[in-house]
Amino acid sequence: KNQVEQSPQSLIILEGKNCTLQCNYTVSPFSNLRWYKQDTGRGPVSLTIMTFSENTKSNGRYTATLDADTKQSSLHITASQLSDSASYICVVSEKAGTALIFGKGTTLSVSS
Amino acid sequence: DTAVSQTPKYLVTQMGNDKSIKCEQNLGHDTMYWYKQDSKKFLKIMFSYNNKELIINETVPNRFSPKSPDKAHLNLHINSLELGDSAVYFCASSQGVAGAWSYEQYFGPGTRLTVT
Repeated sequence: KNQVEQSPQSLIILEGKNCTLQCNYTVSPFSNLRWYKQDTGRGPVSLTIMTFSENTKSNGRYTATLDADTKQSSLHITASQLSDSASYICVVSEKAGTALIFGKGTTLSVSS
Repeated sequence: DTAVSQTPKYLVTQMGNDKSIKCEQNLGHDTMYWYKQDSKKFLKIMFSYNNKELIINETVPNRFSPKSPDKAHLNLHINSLELGDSAVYFCASSQGVAGAWSYEQYFGPGTRLTVT
């Protein structure tokens, strides 16, 4: 069964600190993996999209890594800001199919 | 200009009623989607249309009927609303065809539906 598991479920960090969110998936065959940021009361906004051949992709202070062999991805946030407080959702798509599998998200709270 | 817009933002209604949610995108995209996000924040795709043609129809009760008058609009009509329909519904759009998941998806702000 295709699944996407994210950890931790929630995370609290101090402003200025770094953090890493994890995503493990069992989707096969794999097409691409994306990370979304969802602020409270808003729609998800894409941070990165990676295909199986990409190991890392950055978007400002956000850096996503992908290991297609172990089916793991991580999202690293550098020098966190209060505005980083949000849910971060990992989404994996099945190759040549209609399946788009969402993780349940990690809720990040950045405090001052 | 808002890229993907939805109306209404909030919708409170009683069980058994019929309601519609409207979605419009001004990005020139060919594909539009409806997602449901439950109380546990779990997003799940419901439907996808490409150029007014239904492409993806996940396991959704037939009380839910999407309608696409043109490729810039995808409305969601829900008949005989039930308590379990309470959720946030997101519209999204992307280039390419549904199933070509390499394209970026742009989400609307969501419609919070509460069924009492």
